[in-house]
Amino acid sequence: KQEVTQIPAALSVPEGENLVLNCSFTDSAIYNLQWFRQDPGKGLTSLLLIQSSQREQTSGRLNASLDKSSGRSTLYIAASQPGDSATYLCAVLEDYKLSFGAGTTVTVRA
Amino acid sequence: KAGVTQTPRYLIKTRGQQVTLSCSPISGHRSVSWYQQTPGQGLQFLFEYFSETQRNKGNFPGRFSGRQFSNSRSEMNVSTLELGDSALYLCASSYGTDTQYFGPGTRLTVL
Repeated sequence: KQEVTQIPAALSVPEGENLVLNCSFTDSAIYNLQWFRQDPGKGLTSLLLIQSSQREQTSGRLNASLDKSSGRSTLYIAASQPGDSATYLCAVLEDYKLSFGAGTTVTVRA
Repeated sequence: KAGVTQTPRYLIKTRGQQVTLSCSPISGHRSVSWYQQTPGQGLQFLFEYFSETQRNKGNFPGRFSGRQFSNSRSEMNVSTLELGDSALYLCASSYGTDTQYFGPGTRLTVL
């Protein structure tokens, strides 16, 4: 059974600092890994998708890496802003289903 | 392109009742998945449909069921509601194994 873990569970940083969010998974037989953002009481917003054959994806201030062999992914957010405050979730796709981590709740202090 | 839409957005039911939630995927997406989100259990997979066929099902009791129509719209049904069914129910659509796009969710409260 796939287990997805996210560390840390919560993070508070001053505005302008870079964020590093970690995700690990136990079964490497995945199709892809996706990072999402969730604001309180809302649905999930897709941030980045990394296919299993890829090592990295970038979008603006976001960069995500994937090391499938070690079962790890890292999301980097450069120059954080108060608007980046949210819960960030990683999820791996296998057998047509996403398995999610519990998320990292980020607070960016102005 | 319109995003994933879910109706209704909020529901209040009492124990023992049944409920039907609806999801309309992004145009052209044929895969629709359902997830339950609770503070204690996080996000858990319910089921996935592709071209009206259920391809995978999560570990939920038989009270939870779903279906997909020929236009890719999907519904999920929960019968004999229990207090523990109170949750945010999220629907996602995708084109193959590409990015999964989520709707805003239906907030179900069971009293």
